[in-house]
Amino acid sequence: EAGVTQSPTHLIKTRGQQATLRCSPISGHTSVYWYQQALGLGLQFLLWYDEGEERNRGNFPPRFSGRQFPNYSSELNVNALELEDSALYLCASSLDVYRDSSYEQYFGPGTRLTVT
Amino acid sequence: GENVEQHPSTLSVQEGDSAVIKCTYSDSASNYFPWYKQELGKRPQLIIDIRSNVGEKKDQRIAVTLNKTAKHFSLHITETQPEDSAVYFCAAIKAAGNKLTFGGGTRVLVKP
Repeated sequence: EAGVTQSPTHLIKTRGQQATLRCSPISGHTSVYWYQQALGLGLQFLLWYDEGEERNRGNFPPRFSGRQFPNYSSELNVNALELEDSALYLCASSLDVYRDSSYEQYFGPGTRLTVT
Repeated sequence: GENVEQHPSTLSVQEGDSAVIKCTYSDSASNYFPWYKQELGKRPQLIIDIRSNVGEKKDQRIAVTLNKTAKHFSLHITETQPEDSAVYFCAAIKAAGNKLTFGGGTRVLVKP
């Protein structure tokens, strides 16, 4: 079974630009989560998508947004990039927590975003 | 909101010894507590988890205990091996919201 995949592996942008990160969940998983892992700050929850809808959002500004497609893959967009957005962005997926009573989240390898 | 604190931040043990990492959480509604292992440059890997209706769970050399009254849970690694060297994260989640709140991580170094 293929795990969660993310692209690109690395992304270098300049301040003020926009970044788009992509995630494909494990087959059969319907929920996708995005987390930010900044150096020294641990893992911070960004967004949760389920069945194409945004279900929950962490304490991040509106310039962090995303969407989930009908095939359950997801995209994270970061607008007006700032230097402090440099981090590893991790995507995770899970089965439908409401239907399957499953809480387990499985992570992808991440996209390393560097803002210069 | 939920707050998870994790201790210690670094832990150095001799190969073969045991390692214990402790986490406390603030929200009594949290009901699922996973542990992740993250090796350098790799993704966080779910290694064990426990639900609030269970006090202890074991899987080979690793075990997790939960004390709901005190709102703390711990990871125990026995007979540590060099490949156990990694950063370990605890997390907590509520019944609704599906948002994992992570502890700050523990860097474990197993010395041969």
